[in-house]
Amino acid sequence: EVQLVESGGGLVQPGGSLRLSCAASGFPFNTYTMHWVRQAPGKGLEDVSALSSNGGSTYYANSVKGRFTISRDNSKNTLYLQMGSLRADDMAVYYCARGYCINGVCYRVDYWGQGTLVTVSS
Amino acid sequence: NFMLTQPHSVSESPGKTVTFSCTRSSGSIASNYVQWYQQRPGSSPTTVIYDDNQRPSGVPDRFSGSIDSSSNSASLTISGLKTEDEADYYCQSYDSSNRGVVFGGGTKLTVL
Repeated sequence: EVQLVESGGGLVQPGGSLRLSCAASGFPFNTYTMHWVRQAPGKGLEDVSALSSNGGSTYYANSVKGRFTISRDNSKNTLYLQMGSLRADDMAVYYCARGYCINGVCYRVDYWGQGTLVTVSS
Repeated sequence: NFMLTQPHSVSESPGKTVTFSCTRSSGSIASNYVQWYQQRPGSSPTTVIYDDNQRPSGVPDRFSGSIDSSSNSASLTISGLKTEDEADYYCQSYDSSNRGVVFGGGTKLTVL
């Protein structure tokens, strides 16, 4: 069974930093692209960042480019999101999601974690 | 870059059929597969339709998906509505220009 378990969310002041983790199990983690997708309170879904299976290719939404860094440790089956210069509009539930790719095109996600809440407030 | 536009909310009665639309702002809707995700209150999204019209195992055949190139939109249809179908539904496609996954704004389905 595919399991994705996020952790690391919490309360942080504007301008602060936070690192999210996603522990994966039930599938060969090192062969899958992984995503962080966020959902602000009462709002829709936004693909924040994605990382290829070997870590060689990344995607960042314009809204987080230069402030967030995605990484992974395939030996630990874990995905990370280092968030910096946090703003009020970064406040959201952050979901870890498994990507689904065909011929190198990673065009959807198929499994989601339960999410971790990041609150940005002074 | 493109956007996917969905109606904000839809209401329908149990047993009826409802159809959600998802309109692509630029580029062809047929150029990349469309997915539909269901998100019940307090839960994570789950896939109900992938690759325009495919249902994952466990999703009832009351759920169906299609695309219409003439309106440049995708549709999710749920027949025989049940109260358990009450949820937010998001369409999603892929932006080849920036290799990003794009979500629509979501439609809230109320079954009453």
